[in-house]
Amino acid sequence: GAVVSQHPSRVICKSGTSVKIECRSLDFQATTMFWYRQFPKQSLMLMATSNEGSKATYEQGVEKDKFLINHASLTLSTLTVTSAHPEDSSFYICSATGLRAGNEQFFGPGTRLTVL
Amino acid sequence: GENVEQHPSTLSVQEGDSAVIKCTYSDSASNYFPWYKQELGKRPQLIIDIRSNVGEKKDQRIAVTLNKTAKHFSLHITETQPEDSAVYFCAASRGGNEKLTFGTGTRLTIIP
Repeated sequence: GAVVSQHPSRVICKSGTSVKIECRSLDFQATTMFWYRQFPKQSLMLMATSNEGSKATYEQGVEKDKFLINHASLTLSTLTVTSAHPEDSSFYICSATGLRAGNEQFFGPGTRLTVL
Repeated sequence: GENVEQHPSTLSVQEGDSAVIKCTYSDSASNYFPWYKQELGKRPQLIIDIRSNVGEKKDQRIAVTLNKTAKHFSLHITETQPEDSAVYFCAASRGGNEKLTFGTGTRLTIIP
């Protein structure tokens, strides 16, 4: 299957700072990338869908000014958590799909964010 | 929007026995139904998927069935092994580049 990487794998930051997470498709062109958040012992909750070159579509209840998503190329999408607070601590996972992928979404390894 | 329900939330079975996890979905336009296995702190791994033009699909010890009329789909694992212990998620999508809606997950424990 296709490979999706995510960086960093783990980040600890102070409350009020911003954190950027990168999601890269390494061997295919990702026309669409998805960002999920997963709290402990819960399911994956979709935060937003991003298509290359256009603005992201956010799910209901997700603040677009707090979670900035940029999908500037067919291989890279970034999620920036602005003014992070302890309640933003979670496991953030991206996935990518494209023409080569058919229906399948390929998931990144996830980023564990801890806000102190 | 789509709503996916998954049962049971926890399941314990003796090694060698079968495990069945069931999901229902609400959006009649959904036509792609993947199942994922997730180990603690890891990414979800696709283990099997089915499209709405097929009623059943099997891959070794894993099978998925789909009843499009009733909007039900199920995961069947036979001859369970300790390494099958994990959290399993079902999901539904309209296909193409459409978003996935995940079920709430089932924690499967295989008892040696």
